Amino acid sequence: DAEITQSPRHKITETGRQVTLACHQTWNHNNMFWYRQDLGHGLRLIHYSYGVQDTNKGEVSDGYSVSRSNTEDLPLTLESAASSQTSVYFCASQDGSNSYEQYFGPGTRLTVT
Amino acid sequence: AQTVTQSQPEMSVQEAETVTLSCTYDTSESDYYLFWYKQPPSRQMILVIRQEAYKQQNATENRFSVNFQKAAKSFSLKISDSQLGDAAMYFCAYSPLTSGTYKYIFGTGTRLKVLA
Repeated sequence: DAEITQSPRHKITETGRQVTLACHQTWNHNNMFWYRQDLGHGLRLIHYSYGVQDTNKGEVSDGYSVSRSNTEDLPLTLESAASSQTSVYFCASQDGSNSYEQYFGPGTRLTVT
Repeated sequence: AQTVTQSQPEMSVQEAETVTLSCTYDTSESDYYLFWYKQPPSRQMILVIRQEAYKQQNATENRFSVNFQKAAKSFSLKISDSQLGDAAMYFCAYSPLTSGTYKYIFGTGTRLKVLA
């Protein structure tokens, strides 16, 4: 069965370190998204991609970057982790057809100390 | 700016009763999708129901139905015969049908508690 996975599921890191969160989908979807979830804010869009070599900034992109070298993966990098980036991160994919449904990964809980 | 508002941070319902979760949105677009997602304690985001704005008929999925009022920009979720497994965080989401745009805008969520 097709799926979307995220790794690691939990991570603790120190302020200033570079961190990369992995997202891998086997749906063969063109569209992929990264969100962060914080209490009182719901899910906010960090970055998104509509295909290989395409990346775009979302509403809370400062301090984050993504790259899309193939269809299956969209890794999210925190260049220099800050305590404000402690959050739960979700990756999602979407085929961009008429359903517009996004399929979500299980989430990564990141703690920056 | 397009926004989604869920004004009820928390709701409670007795098992087997009916509950309605509210969602309002602001947009100047005429064509768009609206969604309700459920997030149980496992954190997994699960699509509950979807509504296309150009369809006047309200969407239904078993015990879940929506009341879509396009002019009022309102999209409420009704859960009938509530079950303990319905306890979760519920998010309303909006996605414009503008060509080439597939992003979602989420509300802040409503936590639903189901009382036995």
